[in-house]
Amino acid sequence: DTGVSQDPRHKITKRGQNVTFRCDPISEHNRLYWYRQTLGQGPEFLTYFQNEAQLEKSRLLSNRFSAERPKGSFSTLEIQRTEQGDSAMYLCASSSGSRGDTQYFGPGTRLTVL
Amino acid sequence: EDQVTQSPEALRLQEGESSSLNCSYTVSGLRGLFWYRQDPGKGPEFLFTLYSAGEEKEKERLKATLTKKESFLHITAPKPEDSATYLCAVQAAGNTGKLIFGQGTTLQVKP
Repeated sequence: DTGVSQDPRHKITKRGQNVTFRCDPISEHNRLYWYRQTLGQGPEFLTYFQNEAQLEKSRLLSNRFSAERPKGSFSTLEIQRTEQGDSAMYLCASSSGSRGDTQYFGPGTRLTVL
Repeated sequence: EDQVTQSPEALRLQEGESSSLNCSYTVSGLRGLFWYRQDPGKGPEFLFTLYSAGEEKEKERLKATLTKKESFLHITAPKPEDSATYLCAVQAAGNTGKLIFGQGTTLQVKP
């Protein structure tokens, strides 16, 4: 049973550097989601793909953030010119698009910007 | 604006002491309401999906119910291993994929 995987699990970077995270969804899932979670809060939606098409983006996703899913399989989330406010847990989820569209989450990537 | 509010923010129970967590929501048409469990430093783990008012789902010591305005997660005779943060989320009807989460209820069960 292979669930959603994310890499790396932890990333420490200096302010102003670029970082990239990878997400591998459950293999038969065609939908992939990115969320951000800060301490004590629930996850906040960032963006969502169906296959390779990016269908929805949150206002939270500033122009320093970009996400891709080039072949409809894995996805990458890049943050350019990181700021201390970007420190958070970045969560990836996937779903099959069936009724109810249950999203299954990966373990997350913890980003710390110094 | 679509919104989810969970209460209480934190709950401490003795082992065996049953209780309920509340999730109030406002959404422009409900496609589904979801409950997740999250352990510290980990991603949310799916528990239940509810689709319509009156629906109930059960799993071990947990039971989720849904009305038109709120959902409850009932915990019967909890054990210390039930300690976690419980998250509620809604998905609105229409062409959206996003889940709107509440801030969670952190449950601590003492032996």
